[in-house]
Amino acid sequence: GALVYQYPRRTICKSGTSMRMECQAVGFQATSVAWYRQSPQKTFELIALSTVNSAIKYEQNFTQEKFPISHPNLSFSSMTVLNAYLEDRGLYLCGARVRNTEVFFGKGTRLTVV
Amino acid sequence: QQQVRQSPQSLTVWEGETAILNCSYENSAFDYFPWYQQFPGEGPALLIAIRSVSDKKEDGGFTIFFNKREKNLSLHIKDSQPGDSATYFCAASAASSSFSKLVFGQGTSLSVVP
Repeated sequence: GALVYQYPRRTICKSGTSMRMECQAVGFQATSVAWYRQSPQKTFELIALSTVNSAIKYEQNFTQEKFPISHPNLSFSSMTVLNAYLEDRGLYLCGARVRNTEVFFGKGTRLTVV
Repeated sequence: QQQVRQSPQSLTVWEGETAILNCSYENSAFDYFPWYQQFPGEGPALLIAIRSVSDKKEDGGFTIFFNKREKNLSLHIKDSQPGDSATYFCAASAASSSFSKLVFGQGTSLSVVP
């Protein structure tokens, strides 16, 4: 099956600092990548959708200035959380879309801000 | 506005029973409906999915029943086992566009008691 690896699995950063997370599709080429944040209450917020060589589409309440994303090829994407604060904590999930329908998720990067 | 709704919020069944998880949606453009299973500390794993052209999809002990007219669907987990205890998310998207986003419900927490 399709595998999506996310790194790191957990990270702790000081308030006001930044951290970068990575997403790697293994064994397949993703037609698009979506970044989500899952809150402690388990709700999913879509941050942005990106396809290679196309503009990245950010959802309302999320901006490129705060969550810059790099998507250089069909199997790799990275996202940075700039100036992280308490409200940015959560499980950041990368979902890679295959064949324009199925979306496979990695195990996520859990961000704790102290 | 919650576009995808799930019920119940939590469900407890005895081992061997069939667990029934419900999902409804509002957007008529949605035509692809995956269910994800998530264990604590893990990312959501794609369990089974259905397209709106079908009214039933089976895979192992998991069955989706879909009612396009009523805009609802349900996931039946036959012969539930304690290992099936997890949170289940219903999601929806308009699969016609590669840039279409996956919208998640709030999840149903399932406990299977031995």
